[in-house]
Amino acid sequence: DAGVIQSPRHEVTEMGQEVTLRCKPISGHNSLFWYRQTMMRGLELLIYFNNNVPIDDSGMPEDRFSAKMPNASFSTLKIQPSEPRDSAVYFCASAITGGYIQYFGAGTRLSVL
Amino acid sequence: EDKVVQSPLSLVVHEGDTVTLNCSYEVTNFRSLLWYKQEKKAPTFLFMLTSSGIEKKSGRLSSILDKKELFSILNITATQTGDSAIYLCAVVKLEDKIIFGKGTRLHILP
Repeated sequence: DAGVIQSPRHEVTEMGQEVTLRCKPISGHNSLFWYRQTMMRGLELLIYFNNNVPIDDSGMPEDRFSAKMPNASFSTLKIQPSEPRDSAVYFCASAITGGYIQYFGAGTRLSVL
Repeated sequence: EDKVVQSPLSLVVHEGDTVTLNCSYEVTNFRSLLWYKQEKKAPTFLFMLTSSGIEKKSGRLSSILDKKELFSILNITATQTGDSAIYLCAVVKLEDKIIFGKGTRLHILP
């Protein structure tokens, strides 16, 4: 198995632009998690899905952030409009059952100038 | 409010030393506690602990959970430079929500 696949690996954009991060979970996993990691705040859970349904989005910072999971093999995290304080590494993880052993993707390093 | 606190935040030791990393938590509806190692990229799973007093071991790494005192420790014996990483502790709640600590940054000097 290729593991959790995230794209892009790095993105540099200007403030105000729309950013879309993509994730392909491990086949057969029915839970998917989006995290944001910064030096100041550590690893923060943004949202997680179970069987493609958002279960808890209380970690989503504000309305500029949205996440979708149209099918079991694909999810997106969108930031519109982006701001410099959104600069971070965004991780996607998947698990067979929610909350158990999660397998992380390599992350997307986002820089908003 | 649920919280997971790791200590120390950062640790520098010499190769061959033994280190103990701490994780304390205040979480309702506790299900399990997880330890991850994060090198340059994504966190990788180390241990899952659900019961008190049962030590999990993997090579030079071991971990134990105390559900009465609400903490866990991760021990690394005979450290090597390859152990340099951020070690993350996370608590999973019954409703499947997961809360991560900020991590301990471990650096092993040759």
